[in-house]
Amino acid sequence: SQQGEEDPQALSIQEGENATMNCSYKTSINNLQWYRQNSGRGLVHLILIRSNEREKHSGRLRVTLDTSKKSSSLLITASRAADTASYFCATASSGTYKYIFGTGTRLKVLA
Amino acid sequence: SQTIHQWPATLVQPVGSPLSLECTVEGTSNPNLYWYRQAAGRGLQLLFYSVGIGQISSEVPQNLSASRPQDRQFILSSKKLLLSDSGFYLCAWSALSGRADTQYFGPGTRLTVL
Repeated sequence: SQQGEEDPQALSIQEGENATMNCSYKTSINNLQWYRQNSGRGLVHLILIRSNEREKHSGRLRVTLDTSKKSSSLLITASRAADTASYFCATASSGTYKYIFGTGTRLKVLA
Repeated sequence: SQTIHQWPATLVQPVGSPLSLECTVEGTSNPNLYWYRQAAGRGLQLLFYSVGIGQISSEVPQNLSASRPQDRQFILSSKKLLLSDSGFYLCAWSALSGRADTQYFGPGTRLTVL
């Protein structure tokens, strides 16, 4: 079964607004990552947050991790049309080499 | 810098035909290598991963197989394709750090089985 589940499945916002996506998972993790995928392309790594971290920033991205609730959120501030893409969370359990990806959130930013 | 290549970019194959997709990584040594499949509008399904030459772990029983003949080469194969094998195939690598780390993805191969 899927470890990571993103919510919402689809999100449409106006340029300049903030976009928030959530990810829930089921088991203990070593770290959690967020990736972006433009249509028909490979995935691009955005940010990695470890299980002992609660918040991380990278440019306009802010990621939070709540291990007690087994959830993470990705916030994109001041969105741009170029942010239109699908966003995936991926979780890795301790002692493993593999990630389990969620089903993704499709973000559409309207100019 | 590290780069990852996949080819071909697109492929249309008849049912029952063989398959060989290739992935190569440049600029790093001893990477962990991964094959994923993505159905249209869906998430990624891990198919195989490898932590070294000749070491392949299979995640999903199916008619696909993987091989790692060289340190930075990962091949996905099938002897006879099924319609259900259609999808977007992605190769990825990560540094061998003893645990899952940042993954870097190739551009993908879109496979259509008719």
